[in-house]
Amino acid sequence: KNEVEQSPQNLTAQEGEFITINCSYSVGISALHWLQQHPGGGIVSLFMLSSGKKKHGRLIATINIQEKHSSLHITASHPRDSAVYICAVLDSGNQFYFGTGTSLTVIP
Amino acid sequence: NAGVTQTPKFRVLKTGQSMTLLCAQDMNHEYMYWYRQDPGMGLRLIHYSVGEGTTAKGEVPDGYNVSRLKKQNFLLGLESAAPSQTSVYFCASSYGGVSTEAFFGQGTRLTVV
Repeated sequence: KNEVEQSPQNLTAQEGEFITINCSYSVGISALHWLQQHPGGGIVSLFMLSSGKKKHGRLIATINIQEKHSSLHITASHPRDSAVYICAVLDSGNQFYFGTGTSLTVIP
Repeated sequence: NAGVTQTPKFRVLKTGQSMTLLCAQDMNHEYMYWYRQDPGMGLRLIHYSVGEGTTAKGEVPDGYNVSRLKKQNFLLGLESAAPSQTSVYFCASSYGGVSTEAFFGQGTRLTVV
């Protein structure tokens, strides 16, 4: 049983395309995180959301608490955006549940 | 501000050997976590700690032990390494609470042969 489901698992896009990665979860949460992991690299936190929408540069994250769904959007994608994007939710007990990640490749 | 630092970054062990992975954070976080990451699977929680002197089991604790003697350090021990423990290990820390943000270490790639 996966508490967090991401789609798609793999995504290839041409440079400049608008990209959407989706995350659905089944547990009650206090916050949702979008994480980025570059090949061979560590994990960095992109966003932490508990409601609404956040924007940072070309990245936008939204969350719908009622529908238990979040999306990560990348506008004007660039090859340097190629990475694995991981959705993680934090439950009321301060436990994280992770999706299996979406592997994004942006082709020049 | 170094954030979360893991040592070592890479290690190869023979079956049956023991080792300790160190996680250090300088953000005065209460919560610290050890995860393993395997291909095709999300990060899975091994053990975690909600404060100095406390530890608790996560989803996959067997074969691992942990200690949190100091607030800034969280150690993960493998007493007798097995090939099934070949994985990438990540440490994370957070302050805790509704607005908590997670910080991750760079990972430790462990191979058990």
